[in-house]
Amino acid sequence: AQSVTQLGSHVSVSEGALVLLRCNYSSSVPPYLFWYVQYPNQGLQLLLKYTSAATLVKGINGFEAEFKKSETSFHLTKPSAHMSDAAEYFCAVIKDNNNDMRFGAGTRLTVKP
Amino acid sequence: EPEVTQTPSHQVTQMGQEVILRCVPISNHLYFYWYRQILGQKVEFLVSFYNNEISEKSEIFDDQFSVERPDGSNFTLKIRSTKLEDSAMYFCASSGGLAVTGELFFGEGSRLTVL
Repeated sequence: AQSVTQLGSHVSVSEGALVLLRCNYSSSVPPYLFWYVQYPNQGLQLLLKYTSAATLVKGINGFEAEFKKSETSFHLTKPSAHMSDAAEYFCAVIKDNNNDMRFGAGTRLTVKP
Repeated sequence: EPEVTQTPSHQVTQMGQEVILRCVPISNHLYFYWYRQILGQKVEFLVSFYNNEISEKSEIFDDQFSVERPDGSNFTLKIRSTKLEDSAMYFCASSGGLAVTGELFFGEGSRLTVL
């Protein structure tokens, strides 16, 4: 069964620094992978999704993620962190091509001035 | 911009009481979901609903839980007899197509506190 693991429950970067949030997946078939962001006291918002069309996926707010089959990874990056990026980020996978979306444990991103 | 709305934003209840959480999905969406997030833990899938019936459910979604689309606009989650461990943030979501192809739009959540 598909699942995702997020390495690092908390990541702290300085404003302007590179953001790297790690996600590894386990899947016996090509997965459908997603990154969602949750701002304080809000619901989840889709950042980007991988559905096998292209390995480098660009999302909103300057984020992107690269699907690497050899590493079973789908890490989220942003070249330059902004204070407004502080939030909880969740990697997710569709389980067995149905409607059951499974989330990772989440990574809280803190951006220091 | 269309959005998913949830009520109440926060509910406090006594253990053993019934709770109904309400959601109004985006009007032309066909798939509906409930997720929950226990404080400090991951977002967990509960159930998906399509064509007036449950399409998928997780091991969490036991006989104490039920979902309903009573009037074509609301999508409700009922917990029959709440337990302390049901305290969590419950998120409703909807999508125009299957989750694998369509984006899930989430509401802001209903926080349930069971005392």
